[in-house]
Amino acid sequence: NAGVMQNPRHLVRRRGQEARLRCSPMKGHSHVYWYRQLPEEGLKFMVYLQKENIIDESGMPKERFSAEFPKEGPSILRIQQVVRGDSAAYFCASSRGPGQQSYEQYFGPGTRLTVT
Amino acid sequence: GESVGLHLPTLSVQEGDNSIINCAYSNSASDYFIWYKQESGKGPQFIIDIRSNMDKRQGQRVTVLLNKTVKHLSLQIAATQPGDSAVYFCAENIRGANSKLTFGKGITLSVRP
Repeated sequence: NAGVMQNPRHLVRRRGQEARLRCSPMKGHSHVYWYRQLPEEGLKFMVYLQKENIIDESGMPKERFSAEFPKEGPSILRIQQVVRGDSAAYFCASSRGPGQQSYEQYFGPGTRLTVT
Repeated sequence: GESVGLHLPTLSVQEGDNSIINCAYSNSASDYFIWYKQESGKGPQFIIDIRSNMDKRQGQRVTVLLNKTVKHLSLQIAATQPGDSAVYFCAENIRGANSKLTFGKGITLSVRP
């Protein structure tokens, strides 16, 4: 009964380096969402993907951030040239395809990114 | 800006009492709401959801009430236990917004033994 898997759980990067965060959805789920959480705040939507397709990236910063969900393998959130303000917890959620249960999103344990 | 918000930042209850956590939303196009529980260092855990065509939904020890007239959502936890201590978030989906969820800031529930 594997849930949403994320790795690494903790990631430390120096300013200017790249960060790659990975997410494997729950079995049977084809939709992936990425959210960012700053300390003591709620989660902020970043991007919504299906296999090989970005559905909604309205929450993604215009520069340095990108996301993909290839046909095979996990979804990747990539942050280039990280800055201190990128330090946050990044959560991935997954859901089933369109239909009654498409809104039920189940979250992974998150990746805590620290930029030094 | 945020369309979902929580009235109080913290709530302290005695073990065994009932807890009520409140949430306000402002977008009348919101058609689906979820309550999540987040423990320290973990991801949000799905508790219960409700669609806008419903007023009430019950789960195990939890009840969600939706008042669309005043755009208010509440989570009731019966017989609160120490394991219920966590941060609780309400989240909404706005019709036509591609399934993405908008979260409130969160309220901390602290259970006194």
